[in-house]
Amino acid sequence: RKEVEQDPGPFNVPEGATVAFNCTYSNSASQSFFWYRQDCRKEPKLLMSVYSSGNEDGRFTAQLNRASQYISLLIRDSKLSDSATYLCVVNWGSQGNLIFGKGTKLSVKP
Amino acid sequence: SAVISQKPSRDICQRGTSLTIQCQVDSQVTMMFWYRQQPGQSLTLIATANQGSEATYESGFVIDKFPISRPNLTFSTLTVSNMSPEDSSIYLCSVLGAGRSYEQYFGPGTRLTVT
Repeated sequence: RKEVEQDPGPFNVPEGATVAFNCTYSNSASQSFFWYRQDCRKEPKLLMSVYSSGNEDGRFTAQLNRASQYISLLIRDSKLSDSATYLCVVNWGSQGNLIFGKGTKLSVKP
Repeated sequence: SAVISQKPSRDICQRGTSLTIQCQVDSQVTMMFWYRQQPGQSLTLIATANQGSEATYESGFVIDKFPISRPNLTFSTLTVSNMSPEDSSIYLCSVLGAGRSYEQYFGPGTRLTVT
């Protein structure tokens, strides 16, 4: 069964806080992993791909643990503009099909 | 990433009718996908739109209900047939990125309400 499970949220944090999202996936054969961001009433937008060695993009750090089938996203120094739903996404099969988690809603307050 | 447009952006339709959604990309892409996002839910893949052959449907989705066309490498359509209120959803097309890691880029979506 294809499953991607995420923290249910919502996360309500003050500006400047550090927040972490976690995600687990069921298919050990998955090869590609992503975090997408979806603003209210908008399409999902790719935030970052997640690599085995971990990767960082400014205030955002993604980690992958293949043995535990676990993905994380860390956001440092949260901004009001970070408020959105964050979707954990895993590829499935050789055609590039993606399976989306249900998303974790983040609300950053002044 | 490619620029993707969808038409219409929204529509309100009566049950029993059909709606065709268009997806246009500004560059040639090998793979295009159609997703549904029901209210308060995440995205579910409907099908992969293959150029020159029939679409590949995911479990729970059938061609008679969601016929798809892919006449060339920049365009695809999804038809929602014989609509019921349960079809009220956002429908999104996406394209596969040029990188090796299967990232996808999404169109702005079509918000469908069936009354």
